[in-house]
Amino acid sequence: NAGVMQNPRHLVRRRGQEARLRCSPMKGHSHVYWYRQLPEEGLKFMVYLQKENIIDESGMPKERFSAEFPKEGPSILRIQQVVRGDSAAYFCASTGEGSAKNIQYFGAGTRLSVL
Amino acid sequence: QKEVEQNSGPLSVPEGAIASLNCTYSDRGSQSFFWYRQYSGKSPELIMSIYSNGDKEDGRFTAQLNKASQYVSLLIRDSQPSDSATYLCAVIPGGTSYGKLTFGQGTILTVHP
Repeated sequence: NAGVMQNPRHLVRRRGQEARLRCSPMKGHSHVYWYRQLPEEGLKFMVYLQKENIIDESGMPKERFSAEFPKEGPSILRIQQVVRGDSAAYFCASTGEGSAKNIQYFGAGTRLSVL
Repeated sequence: QKEVEQNSGPLSVPEGAIASLNCTYSDRGSQSFFWYRQYSGKSPELIMSIYSNGDKEDGRFTAQLNKASQYVSLLIRDSQPSDSATYLCAVIPGGTSYGKLTFGQGTILTVHP
């Protein structure tokens, strides 16, 4: 959905480097979800954040991955010391409040390639 | 058993036909169900949400939910070549108050002229 902005769209990293993926939610949305789509696999939940809070990170790998959603600025998914298995499409989705809180709009994604 | 299962297809239908996509889920407590469409290399796009047993129609799309059978389906009437995409069934697990989606593997639909 055009309202959720992710950048970069494509990111190439060498093994051992850091990857930073950014997500700006749709205007008025304060809830952000990150999903990962590995080649030939389905979308998997990684983490759910509200402003300044991590609510559910049960889908995040225990090491090298972290996420934040500061009071100001976009949500960041950070992958340290990337390995080839991290190559995937990373999608961010945002939701509003109330009855729309479960209706998720996805950004265009960041395609991470690890050489 | 996978939490959300879909026939991966590919499902091939002629233009103008009805395409029927099926999904089963394992968590009996699930209350919220969604169908997304994903074109190759693109992001998922929400088509339908359904929360109650029965049918929900929106244009050419009809979602059907049967909680007793733990089954949700999507019918696409008058299928068009532009409907060719991967269709993802997604479920919010029972007891979850926020939108943590569990996705099926997706069904590839091809509509041929």
